[in-house]
Amino acid sequence: NAGVTQTPKFRVLKTGQSMTLLCAQDMNHEYMYWYRQDPGMGLRLIHYSVGEGTTAKGEVPDGYNVSRLKKQNFLLGLESAAPSQTSVYFCATLREGGLRNQPQHFGDGTRLSIL
Amino acid sequence: GDSVTQMEGPVTLSEEAFLTINCTYTATGYPSLFWYVQYPGEGLQLLLKATKADDKGSNKGFEATYRKETTSFHLEKGSVQVSDSAVYFCALSDEGNTDKLIFGTGTRLQVFP
Repeated sequence: NAGVTQTPKFRVLKTGQSMTLLCAQDMNHEYMYWYRQDPGMGLRLIHYSVGEGTTAKGEVPDGYNVSRLKKQNFLLGLESAAPSQTSVYFCATLREGGLRNQPQHFGDGTRLSIL
Repeated sequence: GDSVTQMEGPVTLSEEAFLTINCTYTATGYPSLFWYVQYPGEGLQLLLKATKADDKGSNKGFEATYRKETTSFHLEKGSVQVSDSAVYFCALSDEGNTDKLIFGTGTRLQVFP
């Protein structure tokens, strides 16, 4: 039972390069989220999805794109990486919306450095 | 918009000391409240939660009570252990609006033997 799996765990990029972070879940959850964690700022929402084929912008979406072609996968793309995108990225899932007692489940994170 | 404010760290304690980490929130609605814990090199794990006023969430000796009148959700533990050393995040769920989590900045706890 893997839960929420993020790949890769670490990556170093040069400015201007592109890459895709993968989040995979085996819990059949409807909602998926991408957050970034920066020192002194907690976690901030980048993009989210409320179901297969849907995506929406969060608090800090600039410079990122996402896709949810399959229910179990949520991809986060950086088309042209910038040093300001150096961060730890977390994926989270939620069984479904509107249920007050349901917590989000987090992956172990992807540490991304942009030089 | 909604927000969460928690005390800055690091909080440094000796083993068996009493712990309080303050958390207050502002919200237009009636959110659920959470404490998440992040151990070194790991992702976030749910520590405890509360969904309505006066609810007390508890887990692993940690407790927090949902205080609507003071908009607070302070985390407490009577006797901390070295293994409790981690970063603690207070968060509220923006229910009715995608259920996204709004986090505080996190508080690092360091417990020494």
